[in-house]
Formats: sequence, structure tokens, C-alpha cells
Amino acid sequence: GESVGLHLPTLSVQEGDNSIINCAYSNSASDYFIWYKQESGKGPQFIIDIRSNMDKRQGQRVTVLLNKTVKHLSLQIAATQPGDSAVYFCAENIGAGNMLTFGGGTRLMVKP
Amino acid sequence: DAGITQSPRHKVTETGTPVTLRCHQTENHRYMYWYRQDPGHGLRLIHYSYGVKDTDKGEVSDGYSVSRSKTEDFLLTLESATSSQTSVYFCAIAGQRGGNTIYFGEGSWLTVV
Repeated sequence: GESVGLHLPTLSVQEGDNSIINCAYSNSASDYFIWYKQESGKGPQFIIDIRSNMDKRQGQRVTVLLNKTVKHLSLQIAATQPGDSAVYFCAENIGAGNMLTFGGGTRLMVKP
Repeated sequence: DAGITQSPRHKVTETGTPVTLRCHQTENHRYMYWYRQDPGHGLRLIHYSYGVKDTDKGEVSDGYSVSRSKTEDFLLTLESATSSQTSVYFCAIAGQRGGNTIYFGEGSWLTVV
């Protein structure tokens, strides 16, 4: 398979450090947000989601923060590992249906 | 593994030929989607289905048609493939309305020469 997103913004972190990936969403009516991880040659993989009535949600090594005032979403990855290297997408859903609008993605590179 | 199988996974075809991509799910999910992914454009929705024989257009539907005769299968057809349809195509599924998580298949790489 080929990689996608040849001109993505890139975040480079040292193994063991924490990573923060940011996303600005477009629609103030969006009520559900998802972070996906996409490795080269594979489909997007669900990481974590959050609804608009929440500010923070935690998973295993990941935390999503939602700031509705400035329409900003962030994904924090604790103790980043080489296996976390991938492209990360945020997606927003407006409550009328199950259609997601995706952000452009950020490439995370983890240095050993 | 979200129980989604796409076929074919890779295909090279000539301009003007018809192409059908198949998405098969084993989750009995109501909603199915076809997205395309291109550098500089991210993931864009082509068509989606909210039930058997119920489909609707997405953001980039021109040149594509879909069919869903069974819950488990969602077909994407390029009636006459063009080079601009060279892309990676992803099928996705979801269970409910209102923000239920959407799961993606592994993708189908299509090259139109």
C-alpha cells in the first residue's frame, strides 16, 4: 500500500515523551468527535471519542480534550511508543446523521 | 477487527472501463459508507447507506453509484473509470444514528491508467 497525506504537518517526539496532537474543527453545531489513527497501508482505526457535553475523556494512554469555545480538539498520548507512529485524524459529526467530516491529519513520528 | 472485508484490495484498470468495489460486513450494522482518500484532501464521503436499498450521496458522488441489496453488502461502482478516480477507497460501517462510532475497512487501492 502507499502512504497518504504526503504534505501533512508532522510532530516528532522522543520515545517515552508525551505527545499532543491538535485539531481545529469547523462547525459549532458538531456534537460528537472521534480521533482515528492510520498506519501506512491500513484503514483508519478508532482511538477515542468524545461528545460535546464533555470537556475531557480518558482512555488507555490517551486523553481527548474538547474546547468548544474555540472549537479545538486535542489528543494526548502518554509515554509515546514507536508503535504510535502513524497519521492521526480528528473527525466531527453533526447530530443530524452519522456523517463524519475529517480534518487533514497530523503525522506523528516517534524517535527511539 | 471491525468485521469489514473489502474486495478487491488492489486493482489496476483502464480508463473507460467499469469497476465495482465490494464491502462486506459481518456486524449487521445499519449504516455503511464509501470514502475516498487522496493526498491533500483527506477522507471524503462518496455515498452512504442507511438501510437495504436506502442510499444517499455524499460530498464527492459524481461518477459513482452504489447499491445495497443486503444488509451485509455495499457495492461501489465506477461506471466508466477516469484517472481522477485513482484513489484509495475505504468502506466504513456504523450501528446507529447520532454519532455512533464509525469503523473502517482496510481499503481498496484503485489505479486507473
